[in-house]
Amino acid sequence: GAGVSQSPSNKVTEKGKDVELRCDPISGHTALYWYRQSLGQGLEFLIYFQGNSAPDKSGLPSDRFSAERTGESVSTLTIQRTQQEDSAVYLCASRPGGGNNSPLHFGNGTRLTVT
Amino acid sequence: AQKITQTQPGMFVQEKEAVTLDCTYDTSDPSYGLFWYKQPSSGEMIFLIYQGSYDQQNATEGRYSLNFQKARKSANLVISASQLGDSAMYFCAMRYHRDDKIIFGKGTRLHILP
Repeated sequence: GAGVSQSPSNKVTEKGKDVELRCDPISGHTALYWYRQSLGQGLEFLIYFQGNSAPDKSGLPSDRFSAERTGESVSTLTIQRTQQEDSAVYLCASRPGGGNNSPLHFGNGTRLTVT
Repeated sequence: AQKITQTQPGMFVQEKEAVTLDCTYDTSDPSYGLFWYKQPSSGEMIFLIYQGSYDQQNATEGRYSLNFQKARKSANLVISASQLGDSAMYFCAMRYHRDDKIIFGKGTRLHILP
């Protein structure tokens, strides 16, 4: 079946512009996560959605970052007034809601470059 | 505070040797799960192995095994008979069952030498 799909795969934007990143999770996966990975670094947790519950936004680095998800479908991560330090790969992952041992399934990421 | 620590930023290992990648975690929750992922240079994230906090036995998957020491809060990944294709970044991650949040360590870059 189809995996997690992210678009665009690459995005180059000018400092100060807004960008929107999209994630299509695996059908039926109720949990959706966004992470940020700077070059050669680990995965920084940004936000997590579980079904219709309020999202866990504890990892968003500033109020320039926001994310939405409608039900159990597509999610968008929006970065307003981009800064050069926002340059990174943004990874989306989904997993079934139930089952403690079900792993995250990752998309291929969106590589964001802010010039 | 919830935290994952991988103390080895980089490791060099001779092909066919076993290698242990360290992972320690900090949580006050009694129920959690631990994952290991591999990230080759292509960037994809590959799930390797899972260990639940209440599992009685250490997890194994082919050449991968997990040395789980709950009292020490460590979950080290052991790769037996390493291969050149094992060269990659390896990430340890923890899922908190209370709220389903999953956080990652900073990773260990493993280099397998021929």
